Amino acid sequence: EAQVTQNPRYLITVTGKKLTVTCSQNMNHEYMSWYRQDPGLGLRQIYYSMNVEVTDKGDVPEGYKVSRKEKRNFPLILESPSPNQTSLYFCASSARAANTEAFFGQGTRLTVV
Amino acid sequence: AQKITQTQPGMFVQEKEAVTLDCTYDTSDPSYGLFWYKQPSSGEMIFLIYQGSYDQQNATEGRYSLNFQKARKSANLVISASQLGDSAMYFCAMRVIYNFNKFYFGSGTKLNVKP
Repeated sequence: EAQVTQNPRYLITVTGKKLTVTCSQNMNHEYMSWYRQDPGLGLRQIYYSMNVEVTDKGDVPEGYKVSRKEKRNFPLILESPSPNQTSLYFCASSARAANTEAFFGQGTRLTVV
Repeated sequence: AQKITQTQPGMFVQEKEAVTLDCTYDTSDPSYGLFWYKQPSSGEMIFLIYQGSYDQQNATEGRYSLNFQKARKSANLVISASQLGDSAMYFCAMRVIYNFNKFYFGSGTKLNVKP
């Protein structure tokens, strides 16, 4: 089954404690992205990757890091989380064509206290 | 610059009636795709329907159809015969040929289906 697997689904952490959200896809997609969803703002892109070892900033990259060492995995790292990073996060993967949809992970609801 | 606008933050519809969710877009790219996603209260993003900028006919998928008016830059989602399970947040999104890496999302429309 084609899927994007994201973990954990829920996470409550304290300010400043480093955390990693994992993302893995089994569709051999080149493109992977991280988005955050906040009420009234839709989904905003944090970082994206066009292939292994190729990553770049999206619209809201501050406070986040990513890596793409393997094609299937694209973890999101928060080195020092802050309360304004409390949000719903989605990992997505897609093929390299404008007519193909993005496949989303289940989402990670992060709360930073 | 690319932009998606959804002007209806929330909508109500009676069960079994049809409903139209509005979406307008802005892009100067000649080739692009328009997508609709459904997000139920459980949070996952479910792909519903796709329309290509060069497609001559409106896309349909079961009870979902996309009313594509290219000159007006609108891509409205029509849900026929609404069901209680259609209650969800709906997002319109766009992907352009010169920037594959990104999907541009609107702010979403929360649809409530009344029994």
